[in-house]
Amino acid sequence: QVQLQESGPGLVKPSETLSLTCTVSGGSINNYYWSWIRQPPGRGLEWIGYIYYSGSTHASPSLKSRVTILLDRSKNQFSLRLSSVTAADTAVYYCVRVPGSANYPYYYMDVWGKGTTVTVSS
Amino acid sequence: QSVLTQPPSVSGAPGQRVTISCTGSSSNIGAGYDVHWYQQLPGTAPKLLIYANNNRPSGVPDRFSGSKSGTSASLAITGLQAEDEADYYCQSYDSSLSGSWVFGGGTKLTVL
Repeated sequence: QVQLQESGPGLVKPSETLSLTCTVSGGSINNYYWSWIRQPPGRGLEWIGYIYYSGSTHASPSLKSRVTILLDRSKNQFSLRLSSVTAADTAVYYCVRVPGSANYPYYYMDVWGKGTTVTVSS
Repeated sequence: QSVLTQPPSVSGAPGQRVTISCTGSSSNIGAGYDVHWYQQLPGTAPKLLIYANNNRPSGVPDRFSGSKSGTSASLAITGLQAEDEADYYCQSYDSSLSGSWVFGGGTKLTVL
């Protein structure tokens, strides 16, 4: 059974770059899309962006200028980098698996990591 | 403001049936894009409950069902149980936002 595990610093200073890694275990990273979702404290879910195992990416228009998503097939990992963070980026960050075809994702998330809390504060 | 609109809260007694609505527009649900539903139990990650409008992943009880019509979708839960108390989110695709995946604001289900 596929499992996802987020890892990275729990505290990031304002204006710096948030970096998280998601490790995929129990299955291959191939033939799926992989995405990041976040949830600010007491609020709803927000889609950040996705990457296909081939390397193609797509990000939310509201975050696109600050988001980089990369994938390392040799390590079965994918990562998120969010630059110039502010307090508004404080949230629980989830990595998720997204089924799809070679042409497009089906945009539903069938496997979720447990989430990691990131706080932006000096 | 979320692109998809859900009631903030619903409630029901054990054994009852409740529904949660998800209202969108002509650029998302009304354009024919699928709607998916997630259940988030307190303190845990969301879990896929319904995908592609009315399909249940393996392991999800048939007490949960989804439907879609026009610019709206609904999640129905029958035979309400105490363990159904959770937050529920709908999700779809919006073509007017450069191809964004959008969520509803979430609905808190309270089992009385």
